[in-house]
Amino acid sequence: GAVVSQHPSWVICKSGTSVKIECRSLDFQATTMFWYRQFPKQSLMLMATSNEGSKATYEQGVEKDKFLINHASLTLSTLTVTSAHPEDSSFYICSASFPQTSGSTIYFGEGSWLTVV
Amino acid sequence: GEDVEQSLFLSVREGDSSVINCTYTDSSSTYLYWYKQEPGAGLQLLTYIFSNMDMKQDQRLTVLLNKKDKHLSLRIADTQTGDSAIYFCAVSSLSGGYNKLIFGAGTRLAVHP
Repeated sequence: GAVVSQHPSWVICKSGTSVKIECRSLDFQATTMFWYRQFPKQSLMLMATSNEGSKATYEQGVEKDKFLINHASLTLSTLTVTSAHPEDSSFYICSASFPQTSGSTIYFGEGSWLTVV
Repeated sequence: GEDVEQSLFLSVREGDSSVINCTYTDSSSTYLYWYKQEPGAGLQLLTYIFSNMDMKQDQRLTVLLNKKDKHLSLRIADTQTGDSAIYFCAVSSLSGGYNKLIFGAGTRLAVHP
């Protein structure tokens, strides 16, 4: 079954509003989660690294005031797209490291489709 | 920074084997992954390999790693129509103290009868 869950799967919002996407690790604690964005027919681009209890680390070119990331607990990270515009419409996907005895494996959430109208 | 490259498209006949190739630049990558993405869906972890391994087999999937050439491949035996999807190669890259994943552009696998 899924080890990382995202919600909502689909969201439509009006321009200028904010929308929040949740990423949860199921049955394990994830001190670090990652947020990616995928444009149609393109690969995933890392947006930011979400760290529990501290500020997120953003990749170059990603506006931290626009894409607010909060990792308030060991099982939940949220991405808030503020003042959304149509160009923010995209597929957003999170991932978390699943600790194993011989290292860690990264699992992804189901992704969230955002459409800004 | 790390660069990961894949061929963009592969077409195979049902029942044949598929081989998807990936090259990367960061020789310090510890983990290398293959993910599958079906239309409109998230990423499904197919398999992964540690950098100290040359090969890993998991049912119909075989991963080969050539560290010298920085080449990773995924072989799907007896390819089925349900295998049609985009396959992403991803390698771990240590940056700022975190192990991030860098993705290739994805290879679109089309399986025809």
